[in-house]
Amino acid sequence: QQQVKQSPQSLIVQKGGISIINCAYENTAFDYFPWYQQFPGKGPALLIAIRPDVSEKKEGRFTISFNKSAKQFSLHIMDSQPGDSATYFCATRLQGGSEKLVFGKGTKLTVNP
Amino acid sequence: DAGVTQSPTHLIKTRGQHVTLRCSPISGHKSVSWYQQVLGQGPQFIFQYYEKEERGRGNFPDRFSARQFPNYSSELNVNALLLGDSALYLCASSLQTDRELFFGEGSRLTVL
Repeated sequence: QQQVKQSPQSLIVQKGGISIINCAYENTAFDYFPWYQQFPGKGPALLIAIRPDVSEKKEGRFTISFNKSAKQFSLHIMDSQPGDSATYFCATRLQGGSEKLVFGKGTKLTVNP
Repeated sequence: DAGVTQSPTHLIKTRGQHVTLRCSPISGHKSVSWYQQVLGQGPQFIFQYYEKEERGRGNFPDRFSARQFPNYSSELNVNALLLGDSALYLCASSLQTDRELFFGEGSRLTVL
């Protein structure tokens, strides 16, 4: 199985709130878990990524939490800002040198001022 | 430094026609991948090329083909276009295989 299930499909939060997006995968051979941010009319931009040897990675307001046993990982956006309004995609990649990313279906985040 | 550049940015074709999309990777990047993003969905892997050799192919019909040139730029070709080929075609590059992918802004293809 090479599916990645992402939820929720859409999310509305108030400025200053915490945005949480979740992803679940089935294939234990995945070894790289990036999150991409995409604005309308633009290509996806790498936001933050984690490998399965750590349970959490933080970069500024963005944190990835990784639960290897549950095969789940999530993106937390602290102090959400209107400028964070975008579509967020989780992705996974098989170990072994492949560059094939398997993407979730995306979460449209709206941060209200 | 310039990021991944793609051309054209938008194009309209009719069913049965052929299209060529072009990509220039970030300077120094030797790996190029192509993805198809249908509206409302995540990108789907089409091809990867590294050092001018195909390293991976996604679940797409033979109408889709690609190649990488000595300067590491790449072309994606789609023959016999179908309505369902309408999508944003994304090119991504990386320094070498198994590294972070950097995406271009895509070529928006509309098939009428």
